[in-house]
Amino acid sequence: LAKTTQPISMDSYEGQEVNITCSHNNIATNDYITWYQQFPSQGPRFIIQGYKTKVTNEVASLFIPADRKSSTLSLPRVSLSDTAVYYCLVNNAGNMLTFGGGTRLMVKP
Amino acid sequence: GAVVSQHPSWVICKSGTSVKIECRSLDFQATTMFWYRQFPKQSLMLMATSNEGSKATYEQGVEKDKFLINHASLTLSTLTVTSAHPEDSSFYICSAPGTGGYENTEAFFGQGTRLTVV
Repeated sequence: LAKTTQPISMDSYEGQEVNITCSHNNIATNDYITWYQQFPSQGPRFIIQGYKTKVTNEVASLFIPADRKSSTLSLPRVSLSDTAVYYCLVNNAGNMLTFGGGTRLMVKP
Repeated sequence: GAVVSQHPSWVICKSGTSVKIECRSLDFQATTMFWYRQFPKQSLMLMATSNEGSKATYEQGVEKDKFLINHASLTLSTLTVTSAHPEDSSFYICSAPGTGGYENTEAFFGQGTRLTVV
């Protein structure tokens, strides 16, 4: 299973754009990149997934370069409620998810 | 999206007793369910994989006789922590793989169960 590396923590302010980069040098051809958000004492929540290039949904964008060895989750105009831990994972459909350390995002007023 | 319901959300039990945690897939059938454990300020660690109608697969270092997993139906998987001790206090989370086919890698997580053993 591909291992991921993310910054341990990040600080931001309300209204700013936050970009969290994840490194996954050993990603396999069949692997997709998926990001999850977790609040304290809750299960992780799916944010976005992608295979290559750029994916955008109502909450985030995911940028994946051609070599797919990294990805960047972009959260536009964060608010205090975006304070959470963000996990980057690579996996095939149906496979168990291997969680790395995640990035603890703190949004300040 | 699909919903995975996990109960209870929290439980306090005495040392030496057993606790059962249920995980139900509400609007889809889950032939596989993953069970994770998460200690404070740490990431999720996979404990075991349950498969409907067959024995669960445990990760290295997880005692299968202590953490009993049953997946008797396509919508219910249970984790029983037997003879619980304070070191078993943790946040337990279940997860079912996505149902959208090969390209859908979204997994669905339960709300988690906070177990405190006193």
